[in-house]
Amino acid sequence: GIQVEQSPPDLILQEGANSTLRCNFSDSVNNLQWFHQNPWGQLINLFYIPSGTKQNGRLSATTVATERYSLLYISSSQTTDSGVYFCAVASGSARQLTFGSGTQLTVLP
Amino acid sequence: ETGVTQTPRHLVMGMTNKKSLKCEQHLGHNAMYWYKQSAKKPLELMFVYNFKEQTENNSVPSRFSPECPNSSHLFLHLHTLQPEDSALYLCASSQEPQGGGANVLTFGAGSRLTVL
Repeated sequence: GIQVEQSPPDLILQEGANSTLRCNFSDSVNNLQWFHQNPWGQLINLFYIPSGTKQNGRLSATTVATERYSLLYISSSQTTDSGVYFCAVASGSARQLTFGSGTQLTVLP
Repeated sequence: ETGVTQTPRHLVMGMTNKKSLKCEQHLGHNAMYWYKQSAKKPLELMFVYNFKEQTENNSVPSRFSPECPNSSHLFLHLHTLQPEDSALYLCASSQEPQGGGANVLTFGAGSRLTVL
């Protein structure tokens, strides 16, 4: 099946800093989603982005499907941005998502 | 209630107990999922139900038994579990488009299970 690698595995930022999270995948995708899991376990869908660029407030994402990677940008980070960010993809005829191992983000006040 | 709700949020059980996790979605979706999240591991898909029919079972041990009585409710029945089954169990739902298109998941808050 498709392989998903996320980097970095851990990231510590000072409040107000910007960051870029990366997701590499091993095959062409028909579905790519970014999720944020808060410290209480709740997973929130941030973006559905199999290709192109999207923005939502301080967050934006870009997927370059031909080069098999996606980037999640967080600007002016806040302590509430802390948690784990997951990339999940589906490829070919597979309908179900394969998740990466996540990036643990800690934003310090 | 809105979105996807899971109960209980926390559960501690012995290896000989029988318990159930419940998931309810209020989004009118046609597909529901169980995922397992263990420490230091990616989310693992366990079961998928589409229009109440099980469409995927990812080699899950028989001590986990899913039930989907209708498109809004999903249960995970647990019996004779092992300590390594301790994990966060996440339920999700989606509107699976007919004929292709985006399949965007909405997750519940999870049920944290500890097996003693």
